[in-house]
Amino acid sequence: GNSVTQMEGPVTLSEEAFLTINCTYTATGYPSLFWYVQYPGEGLQLLLKATKADDKGSNKGFEATYRKETTSFHLEKGSVQVSDSAVYFCALREGYGGATNKLIFGTGTLLAVQP
Amino acid sequence: ETGVTQTPRHLVMGMTNKKSLKCEQHLGHNAMYWYKQSAKKPLELMFVYSLEERVENNSVPSRFSPECPNSSHLFLHLHTLQPEDSALYLCASSQDGPGRYGYTFGSGTRLTVV
Repeated sequence: GNSVTQMEGPVTLSEEAFLTINCTYTATGYPSLFWYVQYPGEGLQLLLKATKADDKGSNKGFEATYRKETTSFHLEKGSVQVSDSAVYFCALREGYGGATNKLIFGTGTLLAVQP
Repeated sequence: ETGVTQTPRHLVMGMTNKKSLKCEQHLGHNAMYWYKQSAKKPLELMFVYSLEERVENNSVPSRFSPECPNSSHLFLHLHTLQPEDSALYLCASSQDGPGRYGYTFGSGTRLTVV
């Protein structure tokens, strides 16, 4: 079945450090890939997405490239801020929509950025 | 404001109480979802509604009862809950059909069962 594997956290960085959160996936078709972010006490917010191979999603300085050859969608940011501290979820959705083609989430990676 | 509104934001209830969680979206989406998020556990998908019909129920205990009266509203009725049901309950919506869309989440209801 489809699945998403994320690196375990917590990831602790100093402000202005480079961030990478690894995400790999298993899917039988050609999924769309997503990164969601959850700030403390809040729901999940869509951070970025990519819908086909070699697409790069980007938002708020974060980037992720859909790599079909390595089945990966690693999240990167060149210089993190304290305000980036949150839980980051990688997710995939296969097929052409339909409620039965569910969004499959990874377990989440906690990022803690220290001043 | 994400477009999906959940009320209340916080709820404390006794094990013998009956309460309801409400979710509302005005994004024109045609599918809605309930998730449970517990500390140190993965997100658990509870229910899926598509075009106001329940299409998935992931072995959720009967003390949780969903209701989707129209495409904009989703409820989760709660009765005789247990302390282990304390969690963040998240509602989400999506547009289904051709195209590959993610979900839009609400801010969640933090439920504490005492």
